[in-house]
Amino acid sequence: EDKVVQSPLSLVVHEGDTVTLNCSYEVTNFRSLLWYKQEKKAPTFLFMLTSSGIEKKSGRLSSILDKKELFSILNITATQTGDSAVYLCAVNGGSNYKLTFGKGTLLTVNP
Amino acid sequence: GAVVSQHPSRVICKSGTSVKIECRSLDFQATTMFWYRQFPKQSLMLMATSNEGSKATYEQGVEKDKFLINHASLTLSTLTVTSAHPEDSSFYICSVKSDRNYEQYFGPGTRLTVT
Repeated sequence: EDKVVQSPLSLVVHEGDTVTLNCSYEVTNFRSLLWYKQEKKAPTFLFMLTSSGIEKKSGRLSSILDKKELFSILNITATQTGDSAVYLCAVNGGSNYKLTFGKGTLLTVNP
Repeated sequence: GAVVSQHPSRVICKSGTSVKIECRSLDFQATTMFWYRQFPKQSLMLMATSNEGSKATYEQGVEKDKFLINHASLTLSTLTVTSAHPEDSSFYICSVKSDRNYEQYFGPGTRLTVT
């Protein structure tokens, strides 16, 4: 059974801090690892990672994958209150491309 | 613009009734769609994989007779919660896998409350 473990489960920081969110996984047939941000509604896509060691970057967010050690990190620099959300990591594996999600990290950024 | 729509966005129903939720792919054809459920403060749990023209594949522990899935066309899948009970109250989210690039796109979700 595919498994995704995220840590920490929750995190409280002040505006301007840098945070690192972790995601480790076990999957039978790895295709990709995805990061999502979820506020009140459905998750919104952040990154899809398929290759080790290649950093993906979007503004203050960046992510990298290590396929040897089976983990990924999501970095957010200069955090803002609008970054407060649950960040979900998911792995796409198996013959039918289904996603297995971790429990998420609840990030709270205080002013 | 939105790639996937869900209808309704929010529904309240009485215990014992059935509720149908639609998931539409707006921009592309999708042979495969996925239905997830999310309880408060928990992550998304895959319920079933919906395949156009064939039976859905349900995850372990999900009752196929209670959660009826119909994927009648390449752009529409429906999830019917039959004989709903308060414990079925949850956020139901569909995702659509593009036949072209295999990426998945999430719908906006449907919040079901059973009273």
